[in-house]
Amino acid sequence: ETGVTQSPTHLIKTRGQQVTLRCSSQSGHNTVSWYQQALGQGPQFIFQYYREEENGRGNFPPRFSGLQFPNYSSELNVNALELDDSALYLCASSLDTEGGYTFGSGTRLTVV
Amino acid sequence: EDQVTQSPEALRLQEGESSSLNCSYTVSGLRGLFWYRQDPGKGPEFLFTLYSAGEEKEKERLKATLTKKESFLHITAPKPEDSATYLCAVIGAGSYQLTFGKGTKLSVIP
Repeated sequence: ETGVTQSPTHLIKTRGQQVTLRCSSQSGHNTVSWYQQALGQGPQFIFQYYREEENGRGNFPPRFSGLQFPNYSSELNVNALELDDSALYLCASSLDTEGGYTFGSGTRLTVV
Repeated sequence: EDQVTQSPEALRLQEGESSSLNCSYTVSGLRGLFWYRQDPGKGPEFLFTLYSAGEEKEKERLKATLTKKESFLHITAPKPEDSATYLCAVIGAGSYQLTFGKGTKLSVIP
């Protein structure tokens, strides 16, 4: 049984650019959530996808968007990057929407 | 709005010195309280889920307990490899998201 894998592991972007982060869910999991974790803080919920539909969103602006594919892999897209977007981005998958979340190791995004 | 507060922010223990971490929460209809361990630069690693007051779960040197307002993570005779940040999170009724606390950074000194 494979876990949750995220790519890339590290990324440096310039303010104003766009970025796409990728996540492969754990085998058998149909729900994926994305979280942003700033240094020294707990993870903050961005949004969740269930069977390719967004079914929950946290307090993040529309320039944060996502996709879930038929194989339940997922992407997080961030447009018009700002310095404050620098953080660890975590993907978590689960079977259905009610917990038992397995996290990936994250993508460390630095915006300069 | 769901809220989670963890204390202390940091805890330094000698190897073998038992202690407890606290997680206080405010949530409308608790569906689950989760404990995770996070090593530097890594994603959170699942430890426990608790669903109702009075519930307890154990794993090796860790024991998690739950009341209606808080949860404790008890660490018995810790070892240096237990050093990590421990995160507490809740899911409330009608919610899809984990609401996390800021975590407790545990350091166990040999």
